[in-house]
Amino acid sequence: GAVVSQHPSWVICKSGTSVKIECRSLDFQATTMFWYRQFPKQSLMLMATSNEGSKATYEQGVEKDKFLINHASLTLSTLTVTSAHPEDSSFYICSASGTGWGPQHFGDGTRLSIL
Amino acid sequence: KNEVEQSPQNLTAQEGEFITINCSYSVGISALHWLQQHPGGGIVSLFMLSSGKKKHGRLIATINIQEKHSSLHITASHPRDSAVYICAVRLTNRDDKIIFGKGTRLHILP
Repeated sequence: GAVVSQHPSWVICKSGTSVKIECRSLDFQATTMFWYRQFPKQSLMLMATSNEGSKATYEQGVEKDKFLINHASLTLSTLTVTSAHPEDSSFYICSASGTGWGPQHFGDGTRLSIL
Repeated sequence: KNEVEQSPQNLTAQEGEFITINCSYSVGISALHWLQQHPGGGIVSLFMLSSGKKKHGRLIATINIQEKHSSLHITASHPRDSAVYICAVRLTNRDDKIIFGKGTRLHILP
């Protein structure tokens, strides 16, 4: 089946650091990738939708200058958390789809801890 | 065997029918999510459950911790309910990792 690889799985870094998370579709072309965030004891929240070659569409309340998303190829999307602060500590998950209506394939998630 | 199993994989029903989607899991969990994805859209979280039952509009979600089973019900289904419904569980013993079911594709006919 389709595989999505998310890397790294765990990041611990100091406040003010920028952190990049990669999401790769290993055996299919992902025209659309989604980024989610989940704070402890809360449900998943969609942060943004990215289509290959175009700017990401951010959900209301998500700072586009803080969470930079790049989807430069059909197999790779990156989320960069710029100048991360402790309140950005969360679990970040990506998913990818070959088509808009296609099944979603999820990465394993990245646990980000900002000290 | 997948740790999270959903059934059915596909479901087509007439408008107005009562819909049930099932989710069984084989691991220890701290919470279970029901998610919805409309065509071309991202995932929307419908419910987060750790016990009992929750209701929101025409949607009802139940969970039985002892049986490791959850159901999502839709009453008076409508074509706009057509979507993929995904069950996801948050593990208690693996760094809070989330495991997703493969989803149930629901199609409600007018």
